[in-house]
Amino acid sequence: QSALTQPPSASGSPGQSVTISCTGTSSDVDGYYYVSWYQQHPGKAPKLMIYEVNKRPSGVPDRFSASKSGNTASLTVSGLQAEDEAHYYCASDAGTNNYVFGTGTKVTVL
Amino acid sequence: EVHLVESGGGLVKPGGSLRLSCAASGFTFWTYTMSWVRQAPGRGLEWVSSISSGSTYIYYPDSLKGRFTISRDNAKNSLYLQLNSLRAEDTAVYYCARGSPDLLEYWGQGTLVTVSP
Repeated sequence: QSALTQPPSASGSPGQSVTISCTGTSSDVDGYYYVSWYQQHPGKAPKLMIYEVNKRPSGVPDRFSASKSGNTASLTVSGLQAEDEAHYYCASDAGTNNYVFGTGTKVTVL
Repeated sequence: EVHLVESGGGLVKPGGSLRLSCAASGFTFWTYTMSWVRQAPGRGLEWVSSISSGSTYIYYPDSLKGRFTISRDNAKNSLYLQLNSLRAEDTAVYYCARGSPDLLEYWGQGTLVTVSP
């Protein structure tokens, strides 16, 4: 199972929006409604930001939103803040009791 | 408050073995699927294994089947990962997390496994 493809980096100025893509195949992203997104700050454990494509866990700001179209999922961070600077990883159910993470995107707040 | 604390990492020679542990607290451990996820230095996340609440269902990616074994002891609120025939490429921080990779709600801080001569 190959990792889902994410752009290595994305950036935006404070207050702007940034969108990260996560491209898979019909065997994962396009085949299931179980896509999640994780935020990871340097030296820290990942944190769940989005699950089931577009649902936010309690405590995650509504500046974080997500969607899916075909084999590509997307995470949008609106109103960028300094604390949003981190790595972001998507993950997807890949069927047959299998799961796959994305390659990761480093978001920089300029 | 949910707490997951990993232990058991360290330096091991190629071909060696290690047993990682994860102590859980703050939730009804026996009702949740649990997972291990690893991250090689400077690299992305990689799903390692998941185990259902009653250990009935155990899953690994094809790339890791045969060398790693996940288990749990619900009486001790503990999750384990036995690592055998370790290779340099297994060097990583190993995270314990609650749930399956499509919904890992809580993570531990990780334990570092270094495989080196």
